Amino acid sequence: AQSVTQPDIHITVSEGASLELRCNYSYGATPYLFWYVQSPGQGLQLLLKYFSGDTLVQGIKGFEAEFKRSQSSFNLRKPSVHWSDAAEYFCAVGEGDDKIIFGKGTRLHILP
Amino acid sequence: GAVVSQHPSRVICKSGTSVKIECRSLDFQATTMFWYRQFPKQSLMLMATSNEGSKATYEQGVEKDKFLINHASLTLSTLTVTSAHPEDSSFYICSARKMGTRGDTQYFGPGTRLTVL
Repeated sequence: AQSVTQPDIHITVSEGASLELRCNYSYGATPYLFWYVQSPGQGLQLLLKYFSGDTLVQGIKGFEAEFKRSQSSFNLRKPSVHWSDAAEYFCAVGEGDDKIIFGKGTRLHILP
Repeated sequence: GAVVSQHPSRVICKSGTSVKIECRSLDFQATTMFWYRQFPKQSLMLMATSNEGSKATYEQGVEKDKFLINHASLTLSTLTVTSAHPEDSSFYICSARKMGTRGDTQYFGPGTRLTVL
């Protein structure tokens, strides 16, 4: 069965510091992988997705993620965070774009 | 862009009443929409897949008679929570699938906070 693990419930970084949010997945075939961000009172916004090709995926807002098949990981990175990046981040896996399975989320806190 | 709206954003109702939530894709057509439920500090759980012009497909454990889904047009899906009870209180989020040249993408609505008294 498909599953997604985000091992960090909360992450706190200082503004301007680099960020890496971890995501591991379990899936039998090559998965479609997603990162979404959810701000309070707002819906989920797609940051980036991977379904084939280059394993380093560039997304919006300066985020990127790298698909590592050997580690079953799809970690999200940003070289320098801004206070506006404080939000809940969800990693997700899906077959095609149906039945997306979400991780439990990582809450990102930014220190001024 | 791809914008999905939900209405209402927040609703409070009495136990035993029914509540309808609308999900609209504003600038694209969506033959498939999805309904999720999110409990506090938890992830989104898929409830059902809504297909335009046909019956919805429900996930295991979701009562189809309680959560009625109608997808009457390519831009509108509705979720009706029938005879709501306090345990139905939750955050309901819909998404609409937009077809693209590099695969399909789900775009999410802002969610509806349901509180059943």
